[in-house]
Amino acid sequence: DIVMTQSPDSLAVSLGERATINCKSSQSVLYSSNNKNSLAWYQQKPGQPPKLLIYWASTRESGVPDRFSGSGSRTDFTLTISSLQAEDVAVYYCQQYYSTPPTFGQGTKLEIK
Amino acid sequence: EVQLVESGGGLVQPGGSLRLSCAASGFTFSSYDMHWVRQATGKGLEWVSAIGTAGDPYYPGSEKGRFTISRENARNSLYLQMNSLRAGDTAVYYCAREAVAGTRDWYFDLWGRGTLVTVSS
Repeated sequence: DIVMTQSPDSLAVSLGERATINCKSSQSVLYSSNNKNSLAWYQQKPGQPPKLLIYWASTRESGVPDRFSGSGSRTDFTLTISSLQAEDVAVYYCQQYYSTPPTFGQGTKLEIK
Repeated sequence: EVQLVESGGGLVQPGGSLRLSCAASGFTFSSYDMHWVRQATGKGLEWVSAIGTAGDPYYPGSEKGRFTISRENARNSLYLQMNSLRAGDTAVYYCAREAVAGTRDWYFDLWGRGTLVTVSS
C-alpha cells in the first residue's frame, strides 16, 4: 500500500496569511500514460464529511475558491491557501488514487493564529 | 438533489454483525463505482471497500473477509455487511462516490453524512 505522510500535523496561521500543507507519498503517483498525478485534497470541518478541493494534484473542484491551489509531482505535493479566511479552519487530507487501496494522509489541522 | 444517505449504524457487541445501507439519489447510481470510508473519532480517513458498476468488490489487503460490500442498482442502494466486529471497527462509516463515472479514478466528490458504528460490550 502507498503510505501518505502529511506535514505538519497542525498549523496556525493568521487571517489573510498563506497556509501551506505538505503531503509525501511512499512511491510515485504519477501516471506515465497521461502524465497526471493521482493525488486529491479534501477539507473536513467538524461534524461534516470530507469535501473534495483538488484532484489530479492541481485541478480545483468546481465551486472551490481560487485561494486554494495544489502543486507537486511524483511523491511531493503541496496544498496552499493563499489568504486564510476564518471559514478555512478545518482538517485537510491528501489522498492517492494511483493504486488500490486508495490511501489518505493522517490529516493536518489548520487553525487561526 | 444529489445525495447519499447512510443508515444502519448503532451499538453492537464484539463479535456481532451489522449491515449498513447507503441510499443514493439525484444521479445515475448504476454508472458509478461506490465506496465505504470510515473514520474513528478524532482520527483520519480509512478506505474500507469499493464496488464496481458490475458488482465487482474491492477490499484492502489487510481485510480478512469480515466485510462484504454489495449494491442493488434497482434500489439505488449500497450495502456493507460487517461480521465479527471488534472494538477497532468503531467509527463513522461514510458512503462515497467516485468523482467521474466509470473511470476507476478513485477520488470522491460526493459523501454522505455518515453512520456511527460503536462496537462495545
